[in-house]
Amino acid sequence: DIQMTQSPSSLSASVGDRVTITCRASQNISNYLNWYQQKPGKAPKLLIFAAFILQSGVPSRFSGSGSGTDFTLTISSLQPEDFATYYCQQSYSTPCSFGQGTKLEIK
Amino acid sequence: QVQLQESGPGLLKYSQTLSLTCNVSGGSISSGDYSWSWIRQPPGKGLEWIADIYYNGSTYYNPSLKSRVTISVDASKNQFYLKLSSVTAADTAVFYCARIIRNWGNFDYWGQGTLVTVSS
Repeated sequence: DIQMTQSPSSLSASVGDRVTITCRASQNISNYLNWYQQKPGKAPKLLIFAAFILQSGVPSRFSGSGSGTDFTLTISSLQPEDFATYYCQQSYSTPCSFGQGTKLEIK
Repeated sequence: QVQLQESGPGLLKYSQTLSLTCNVSGGSISSGDYSWSWIRQPPGKGLEWIADIYYNGSTYYNPSLKSRVTISVDASKNQFYLKLSSVTAADTAVFYCARIIRNWGNFDYWGQGTLVTVSS
């Protein structure tokens, strides 16, 4: 099974900051990497798929990059509504697997 | 707009079988572009994929749960289902149903989730 490791596990930042979250796969997953945002008590929301393709309706301040084993999610200018937990997910092989999450908190 | 809605009992006793239903509206479960999935999240923890099903009945299971899980579909009702047998406290979680884009394996629509608690 492919293991997904996110860093950091938590992050404090301020409105307007540029933030980067990293996701590393235990083996090559090409660009089969997806990012989700989850707010408390809510279902995850798809932000980015195929490593860098922005899901329809997602603000352009979100971007993704990477291929192979190393990937990043970047928020260019944090907005108040962006404070949430972020998960990466590999869809290269079954079973698909998620990272452990990165909790983004207000500084 | 596609919507998914989970339903099922919120409380189970140790060793019982969990049965959940996901009702899909706003789109056909028989569309060839999508599969349908169950994912769970223990309180305060991360996401775990459980199983997928295609409208023709093809299934995929997480090996860690495969011996206890059955996923099924009823295209005529636009619903799919999850059964998880021999539950323990470790199965206490929010269970989500979700739609998968088959090309990329990403979950683009999710239900709101249903909390299932297993008590002794």
